[in-house]
Amino acid sequence: GAGVSQSPSNKVTEKGKDVELRCDPISGHTALYWYRQRLGQGLEFLIYFQGNSAPDKSGLPSDRFSAERTGESVSTLTIQRTQQEDSAVYLCASSWGGALSTEAFFGQGTRLTVV
Amino acid sequence: KQEVTQIPAALSVPEGENLVLNCSFTDSAIYNLQWFRQDPGKGLTSLLLIQSSQREQTSGRLNASLDKSSGRSTLYIAASQPGDSATYLCAVPVLSNTGKLIFGQGTTLQVKP
Repeated sequence: GAGVSQSPSNKVTEKGKDVELRCDPISGHTALYWYRQRLGQGLEFLIYFQGNSAPDKSGLPSDRFSAERTGESVSTLTIQRTQQEDSAVYLCASSWGGALSTEAFFGQGTRLTVV
Repeated sequence: KQEVTQIPAALSVPEGENLVLNCSFTDSAIYNLQWFRQDPGKGLTSLLLIQSSQREQTSGRLNASLDKSSGRSTLYIAASQPGDSATYLCAVPVLSNTGKLIFGQGTTLQVKP
């Protein structure tokens, strides 16, 4: 596609429910990243995919968070048993190759509100 | 550990003014630096990517400079317009093979008509 696409754009869920957030990267981009941005705070790295593998999961805050990528394309971030502190904007980015010198492109984000 | 700082946190200027946003980083061994724009409630839009071998990059009214040795980058916006109002973020990749980015906290710019 023309850009990174994320869905849904907004999600309100009850505490304790599971949620799935989707990211469609730019076609041909092998690297995919998930970041989280809490209200009024900076971006926190969550996980990095190269192809369908995740060599860096160091930013996942707890075992309630998991992510997968299939077909070297779409990625899903799953949050189980959501808590109020999970409320944030979840941003996905992709880049060609994931090398240090390539430009990262971001989606519009999914705003998650846990009530 | 790389840390990225942006000063000021907020800036308000009248329309038409030229302005400079600052970004500093603690580890000068960077591969590149990227400037982004974020509108309220939106994702990030890439503005400029400046490689470590470059001194500056230009796109329209935007000019980004990079001084690795001093750990600084500036984003110069010429003839500011109300539509430039947004939060501006700078980011550098960590020195690993992942390309994940370390972000500054951003400068929120308001351009008044």
